This record gives sequence, structure tokens and C-alpha cells, in this order.
Amino acid sequence: NAGVTQTPKFQVLKTGQSMTLQCAQDMNHNSMYWYRQDPGMGLRLIYYSASEGTTDKGEVPNGYNVSRLNKREFSLRLESAAPSQTSVYFCASSRNYEQYFGPGTRLTVT
Amino acid sequence: GESVGLHLPTLSVQEGDNSIINCAYSNSASDYFIWYKQESGKGPQFIIDIRSNMDKRQGQRVTVLLNKTVKHLSLQIAATQPGDSAVYFCAENLPNDYKLSFGAGTTVTVRA
Repeated sequence: NAGVTQTPKFQVLKTGQSMTLQCAQDMNHNSMYWYRQDPGMGLRLIYYSASEGTTDKGEVPNGYNVSRLNKREFSLRLESAAPSQTSVYFCASSRNYEQYFGPGTRLTVT
Repeated sequence: GESVGLHLPTLSVQEGDNSIINCAYSNSASDYFIWYKQESGKGPQFIIDIRSNMDKRQGQRVTVLLNKTVKHLSLQIAATQPGDSAVYFCAENLPNDYKLSFGAGTTVTVRA
């Protein structure tokens, strides 16, 4: 099992550009999550999906949209990137409470 | 989780000594707690968890202690090794809610 995979690993965007971060899990988990991690801070929840077909806002949803494409895949979209969105983005999945994390996407917006 | 009081953002430990990492959590209704380890350039990895009906749980070289009276959680690592150098996060969870709330993390550096 690959666990949770994320693409791309690194990305540089100019202000105003859009992009989609991809996440997939092969553990048959119902719930999936997107977090951002900034220097010196813990993980902050952007959006989550408790099950296929549902999505909900987390702590910091502004500037992001998500799509739960199917049970395996949960994508995060930045419609118009801003420098404040420079961060490391982690996707996670869970069956119950223990969350399994992907390797992260390091995004820089200039 | 939050980083207040006993929490230290960094911890330097001599190889072979025991490490104690502290965390103060924020919600007295939280009923599940989890410790994650994050190595440089990687995603967080599960270490150990504990439910609110317990006050201690042991794993391989790690022990988690829970004090609900003061809303405090600690992670003890026995015989700390260079591979234990990482950032450690505590997280809390409310009943019937799969979302986790993470603390700011403690960076552990192991000295040879």
C-alpha cells in the first residue's frame, strides 16, 4: 500500500495563478483532510470530507476550494493564489480518529 | 492543543537520556489524544494515542500520560536516540468528531 500520496511535491506560483493539489489514499478510508503548516505553527485544517460526497470548512478555508472526487481522491484548489498561501500543504485520511498523512506539497507564491 | 504553561517549543536531549515533551490541551470535553512525530521534510507520523478514560499508555520506548484535572498531556521517550530528533505534536479530538486540533509542536534535538 502506498498510503496517502500527494502531487506535486513542490510548486512555485505567481500571484493570481490557479492550481490544484492532488491527494489520493488506498486505505479505503472514509474521511479525508487538507491542512496547511506554516513555520513555527501546528497544522491548521483547511477543509475536510467526512465521507464521499460531503465536504466541510475547517479553520482556515478562505481562498481554497475542494472536491471529493471519489472515495480515494480529495483535491484542493487555489483559484487565485496569494503570497499568504505560501505554505506546506498536507493531505490526510482516516477511518476513525487516527489520521494518516501524505508527504506534503511545498507551495511558494511570489 | 495549545502551547501554554509547561510547553517548551524546543528541547535538547543527550543521547541515551529520557525525554519528556509536554502539551496543554484546550478543551475539557476532548476524549481522545494523539502524539505525532514529524521528521524534516516529511508528513506527521502516528506515535501513540490515549483515550480520556485512561491516564497512562505505553508503547515501544514511549509512554503517554494524561492529567485531565489540569488538561495536560506528556510524551516520555526512553533512551532517546538520534533518530528521535523531530518535531512532536499533540492533538486532541472531541467526541463523535474526527477532526483533530493540533498544538504548535516541540522540536527535539538529540545531542551525541
